[in-house]
Amino acid sequence: AQSVTQLDSQVPVFEEAPVELRCNYSSSVSVYLFWYVQYPNQGLQLLLKYLSGSTLVESINGFEAEFNKSQTSFHLRKPSVHISDTAEYFCAVSYINDMRFGAGTRLTVKP
Amino acid sequence: DTEVTQTPKHLVMGMTNKKSLKCEQHMGHRAMYWYKQKAKKPPELMFVYSYEKLSINESVPSRFSPECPNSSLLNLHLHALQPEDSALYLCASSQPRGDTQYFGPGTRLTVL
Repeated sequence: AQSVTQLDSQVPVFEEAPVELRCNYSSSVSVYLFWYVQYPNQGLQLLLKYLSGSTLVESINGFEAEFNKSQTSFHLRKPSVHISDTAEYFCAVSYINDMRFGAGTRLTVKP
Repeated sequence: DTEVTQTPKHLVMGMTNKKSLKCEQHMGHRAMYWYKQKAKKPPELMFVYSYEKLSINESVPSRFSPECPNSSLLNLHLHALQPEDSALYLCASSQPRGDTQYFGPGTRLTVL
């Protein structure tokens, strides 16, 4: 079975600073990788995904993630964060219909 | 349209009540999911329906009973729940071979 480890439970950062949220996965088969964001009292919103092709994937709001097969990682980065990026971020791995989430990283952006 | 809707938004029920959660999508997806999310925890997969057939049941207690009446609807019937079942219940849908799951806003369930 596949699994995900998010290495940081909380990441505090100042506004306009860069940020990296780390994610490592384990799987014996080829999987899809995702980052979801969850704002308080809401469902999960897809941030970006890696299915195949280019290992660098980008979202419309400035986040990007790079799939690294040799290091089994899918870290999320943003060069300059905003207050509105404060949320819980989940890395997920999916094989066919079975999606497993990491424990989540709480990103807090401070003014 | 990438919207998954869930009703009700909030539900409070006693341990002897019977209630149902509803989920609907109109994206033509043929896989639908129920997740349970406790506070400050990731979503945990409960059930997966693929082509209206139950394909994954993650050993969920029988007091939770899923139903997929058609390709757009997914229900979760609740009976004799325990206080520890209080959580956010999330529904999602996707194409059957995996790929992106789209989540609804969830139903916040409180069991008294």
